[in-house]
Amino acid sequence: GAVVSQHPSRVICKSGTSVKIECRSLDFQATTMFWYRQFPKQSLMLMATSNEGSKATYEQGVEKDKFLINHASLTLSTLTVTSAHPEDSSFYICSARDTPAQTYNEQFFGPGTRLTVL
Amino acid sequence: GQQVMQIPQYQHVQEGEDFTTYCNSSTTLSNIQWYKQRPGGHPVFLIQLVKSGEVKKQKRLTFQFGEAKKNSSLHITATQTTDVGTYFCACLRGTYKYIFGTGTRLKVLA
Repeated sequence: GAVVSQHPSRVICKSGTSVKIECRSLDFQATTMFWYRQFPKQSLMLMATSNEGSKATYEQGVEKDKFLINHASLTLSTLTVTSAHPEDSSFYICSARDTPAQTYNEQFFGPGTRLTVL
Repeated sequence: GQQVMQIPQYQHVQEGEDFTTYCNSSTTLSNIQWYKQRPGGHPVFLIQLVKSGEVKKQKRLTFQFGEAKKNSSLHITATQTTDVGTYFCACLRGTYKYIFGTGTRLKVLA
């Protein structure tokens, strides 16, 4: 299957700093990428949908100014957590699909980034 | 909004016993996907069901889509320790976004 990478895999930062997480599709072009957040022992919560060349679509309750998403190319999407606080500590996972707006298509997930804000 | 509940939340079974997790939606679904997440890992796609009443098998795993397309189940026959993890269903919302169910955490005791 298709491979999606994330970098970094783990990051610890101080409260108030910004953290950038990269999501790359390695062997396919991802027209759409999704960003999820998962708290311990909970389900994945969709944060936003990132489409190449256009603005991201955020889910209700997700602050677009706090979670900046950029999908500048067909293989890279970035999530920047601005002015991070301890409550932002979570497991952030991206996924990608290679066909735009098509329902019958699996998502390929990255390995995730564990963010700890002190 | 769309609610996707899974039951049970947790299940501990002895190795060799069967296991079933159920996924229930408050609305009719166009399709449903199942994923497995190992402890510390990321979700891995297992299968997608599209047709009403559809049944698909993958070795010891049997997936079923309800006739009304509002529920689905995943059944594992004769569990093994490698089956440990959390099983999520994911339901399509809109044209291409998927909402994940609450998940069922499976523990297999050797």
